[in-house]
Amino acid sequence: DAKTTQPTSMDCAEGRAANLPCNHSTISGNEYVYWYRQIHSQGPQYIIHGLKNNETNEMASLIITEDRKSSTLILPHATLRDTAVYYCIVRVAPYSGAGSYQLTFGKGTKLSVIP
Amino acid sequence: DSGVTQTPKHLITATGQRVTLRCSPRSGDLSVYWYQQSLDQGLQFLIQYYNGEERAKGNILERFSAQQFPDLHSELNLSSLELGDSALYFCASSAWDSTQETQYFGPGTRLLVL
Repeated sequence: DAKTTQPTSMDCAEGRAANLPCNHSTISGNEYVYWYRQIHSQGPQYIIHGLKNNETNEMASLIITEDRKSSTLILPHATLRDTAVYYCIVRVAPYSGAGSYQLTFGKGTKLSVIP
Repeated sequence: DSGVTQTPKHLITATGQRVTLRCSPRSGDLSVYWYQQSLDQGLQFLIQYYNGEERAKGNILERFSAQQFPDLHSELNLSSLELGDSALYFCASSAWDSTQETQYFGPGTRLLVL
């Protein structure tokens, strides 16, 4: 799986958009970008994933550059509950429910939402 | 709440002992992954089971073993415990929707070896 690079930490004012960048310059054509977050020693939580198109769900938006070498996770209106470590993970496209798709976590970005 | 349960939440034991961590996946999920999170190593994949069979191994020590039972719950057995085994242990069950696989993590078991 491709390696990712994320800033160690970021701050965001409550109510503002949080933009978390991720570099994955060695990503392959069949690899997806996934984002998970971990709130203070809880189990990691899935946020969103994408291949090449921008994606949006109820939690966040994912913007992937045209060359797919980087992406940005956007939390549109950050709240104090969004304070967490955010992990950007690149992984091969799953092709079977019986396959093996372990997640390789880096150090992530510690996002602090400030009141 | 992810729907994945893990017991116990906390475990304190001594070096040389053996413990068993239990994980119940979400209803219908056939795949269970185990991860270890320590301060110095971060979150690392240990082992995966799919419908009772071992599917993949990661950085799992020989002192550690796992199994998945017919009711799909899984157990991670840690033996000859060392101080360095103190960590958070997470299991995740995997949902497959014909195009994508998403892992849902349990709340974890915090193991402290004294």
